[in-house]
Amino acid sequence: DIQMTQSPSSLSASVGDRVTITCRASQAIGNSLAWYQQHPGKAPKLLLYGASRLQSGVPSRFSGSGSGTDYTLTISSLQPEDFATYYCQQYYRTPQETFGPGTKVEVK
Amino acid sequence: EVQLVQSGVEVKKPGESLKISCKGSGYNFADSWIGWVRQKPGKGLEWMGIIYPVDSDARYSPSLQGQVTISADTSISTAYLQWSSLKASDTAMYYCALISVTGTFFEYWGQGTLVSVSS
Repeated sequence: DIQMTQSPSSLSASVGDRVTITCRASQAIGNSLAWYQQHPGKAPKLLLYGASRLQSGVPSRFSGSGSGTDYTLTISSLQPEDFATYYCQQYYRTPQETFGPGTKVEVK
Repeated sequence: EVQLVQSGVEVKKPGESLKISCKGSGYNFADSWIGWVRQKPGKGLEWMGIIYPVDSDARYSPSLQGQVTISADTSISTAYLQWSSLKASDTAMYYCALISVTGTFFEYWGQGTLVSVSS
């Protein structure tokens, strides 16, 4: 199985801050990585896929990068609606897709 | 517009069977992979499995193989997640979600079905 870790598990930030979340895979996953945002009580929402491709309709303040085993999600200027939990998911091999444990972005 | 509409809250006892549903619209249901994701209370997301409705090719997470059954009925554009004998540990929110054509990540999500299993 490919294990995913995320860091930090939570962070406190203010509106306007630049936020970076890291996702690490236990083996190389060839950019087969997606990021989701989830607000409490709501379904997750796809933000990026292919490590860096922005899903249609997602604001450009979200960006992704990385390769091999290490990937990052960056929010360039945090907005009030961005306080949520963020998950990465690798889809390198079916049916062994796995999610990271999540990173909660809270108000400072 | 793609929509995935899931069945409602279920409250069951251990040992009971259950089948929850997810009706797709706004896209070619039969020719699109659809999957299920579990989220236990206060926990993260867990990839459960996916199905290709046109031929019912189902793939399961190795950790969940044998514990659930994923099926689909193309005549009514509906996917299902089924248990033959529920356990308290099956208590969770279950989401269906449409797989992208680009890779096995989830592009559109249903609203979720809460399943509560308690004696």
